[in-house]
Amino acid sequence: DAGITQSPRHKVTETGTPVTLRCHQTENHRYMYWYRQDPGHGLRLIHYSYGVKDTDKGEVSDGYSVSRSKTEDFLLTLESATSSQTSVYFCAISGGQGAYEQYFGPGTRLTVT
Amino acid sequence: SQQGEEDPQALSIQEGENATMNCSYKTSINNLQWYRQNSGRGLVHLILIRSNEREKHSGRLRVTLDTSKKSSSLLITASRAADTASYFCATAGEAGNMLTFGGGTRLMVKP
Repeated sequence: DAGITQSPRHKVTETGTPVTLRCHQTENHRYMYWYRQDPGHGLRLIHYSYGVKDTDKGEVSDGYSVSRSKTEDFLLTLESATSSQTSVYFCAISGGQGAYEQYFGPGTRLTVT
Repeated sequence: SQQGEEDPQALSIQEGENATMNCSYKTSINNLQWYRQNSGRGLVHLILIRSNEREKHSGRLRVTLDTSKKSSSLLITASRAADTASYFCATAGEAGNMLTFGGGTRLMVKP
């Protein structure tokens, strides 16, 4: 497996609380991505980063923010969690944009009650 | 919205048989990629085929791409129980920007 870890791996939280998920890589890859995976929707891109402090929105960015202060860490924050954000969240890295393969982390299962 | 749509959504075969999965997409692409996901795990990259390529092989995997029909197929030959997983196609736009994933095909290989 590529050197990607996600924390926490499982989390249960209440509606309205803020939640931060962490993605950590040891591959020194420039690009990092956050996806969510839901039944019937495949993987959908939330946000991505193309360098330290450089981020952009994906397909389903509403309600989420990201930060990248170091090459190796990419944080995803749910400002005020809602039940519709119950999902499995995957981080991925790549050496470049879509022309390159992506390496995925193990995922974080988030339940918002 | 999903760029790629896999077909079938689910496939069940016996060990030793071949498995074929198809992917259709809507807009022009730079490349198309196939990924595998075992239950409860992250996705693993299998193969990348560029828009100017028609066929690519990797071990027991064979991928074809028909840009005129906007479709791709993934063939797994001599399947094994360990091939049981979900398989996703993902497309990168002509600008080589983000990947867009399809909904996946769930493959079950019975021993």
